[in-house]
This record gives sequence, C-alpha cells and structure tokens, in this order.
Amino acid sequence: AQSVAQPEDQVNVAEGNPLTVKCTYSVSGNPYLFWYVQYPNRGLQFLLKYITGDNLVKGSYGFEAEFNKSQTSFHLKKPSALVSDSALYFCAVRATNTDKLIFGTGTRLQVFP
Amino acid sequence: DGGITQSPKYLFRKEGQNVTLSCEQNLNHDAMYWYRQDPGQGLRLIYYSQIVNDFQKGDIAEGYSVSREKKESFPLTVTSAQKNPTAFYLCASSIRTGSTEAFFGQGTRLTVV
Repeated sequence: AQSVAQPEDQVNVAEGNPLTVKCTYSVSGNPYLFWYVQYPNRGLQFLLKYITGDNLVKGSYGFEAEFNKSQTSFHLKKPSALVSDSALYFCAVRATNTDKLIFGTGTRLQVFP
Repeated sequence: DGGITQSPKYLFRKEGQNVTLSCEQNLNHDAMYWYRQDPGQGLRLIYYSQIVNDFQKGDIAEGYSVSREKKESFPLTVTSAQKNPTAFYLCASSIRTGSTEAFFGQGTRLTVV
C-alpha cells in the first residue's frame, strides 16, 4: 500500500530564512514523488517532481526538493523564504506499478515578515 | 484556455438528496481523479479513471459514484448514502499515469443543509 506522511501540521519561518517542509513516503517499488501548493479556496498547483536521476530537483518559485531513498524522504526546501510563500503544501506519491496518486495531510507554511 | 473546469463552485444540498459535481477538461488527458479535502486530513482519493468507460475505487469510494463516458468529462455523484458529504471536492487530470503530474480544477465546496 502507498502512503505519504507530512509530520508537521505547520512550519513557521522568518522571511529571508531557509525553509524545509518534510515528507516521507511508503510504496512497494520505485516512487514518483510530487510537491503541490494550495492557496485558500483554490485547487492545487504543481511545484516539482522526482522521477529518476539527480536526487535534488528544482521547481517553480525557487523551490527545490531532495530525494533520499534510504530514508524514504522527499523534503521541500527553499534557501530564502518570502511572505508570499505562505500557503498549504502537499506531498504526493505514485508508485511506478500503480495509477493511484496519494497525497499527504498537508503542511501549512507561515512566513513572517 | 486549456484547463480543468469544476462546477459549481459552491453547492448546497439537503440531507437525503443526491447531487452531481461536474468536472470537464480540454487538455486531452487520459487519467482523471476525484479527491475530497477535509481540514487536517489532506486529500483523500475517491475514484480515478485511466481511460474512457473504466474507473477504479480509491480509498473512500463508499457513498459516491462516477462515470467516464467521454474523455473530457468525469462527473462525481454524491449519494444519500454518503453520511458526511460536507467537504471541498477537487478534480484532477494527467496526460497518463506514472511520472506525469496531475493538474487540478478550482474545486467545489459542498455543504449539506
């Protein structure tokens, strides 16, 4: 069975500081991993994905994520946070041998001026 | 404009009534998904479809039904058997399953009155 865990309900960070939003996953087989962002009362917007190859993937708005197979993690990072980054972030996984796309419970990122 | 359109944006239903949520895409995507979003529970998969006239149950299919008669359309019916239907419903589509990311509609907020 596939599952995704986002252990932090909320992450608080000061503007200009680096941020990390954590995600761990469980799949049988190799994973495809995704990060999405959601603003209030809106759908989800795609940020980045890991398919294969380089463990560090870069995405939209300066975000990047690091895939760690031994720790089954895919943490989202940004070197310098902006107040406008404040939103709800979701990690998702799809195993290579299935079609189901499973999401975590989300982490609310709050960036303070 | 290409994209996914969900309608209506807000929907009110009386207890005991069935209601159908619309999802249309003009992206020529094969796969389509329905998710339910509740506070603190993230996105939970209701149904998904890889191809016309075929669909599979997700993790919380009870009380819901879908059809996929056309590639562009994947309507979701919330039946009276769904005991707690008040939620934010999100539709998504992707070119194909596997490594491709999903694109989301703007959601329908369903409230039972």
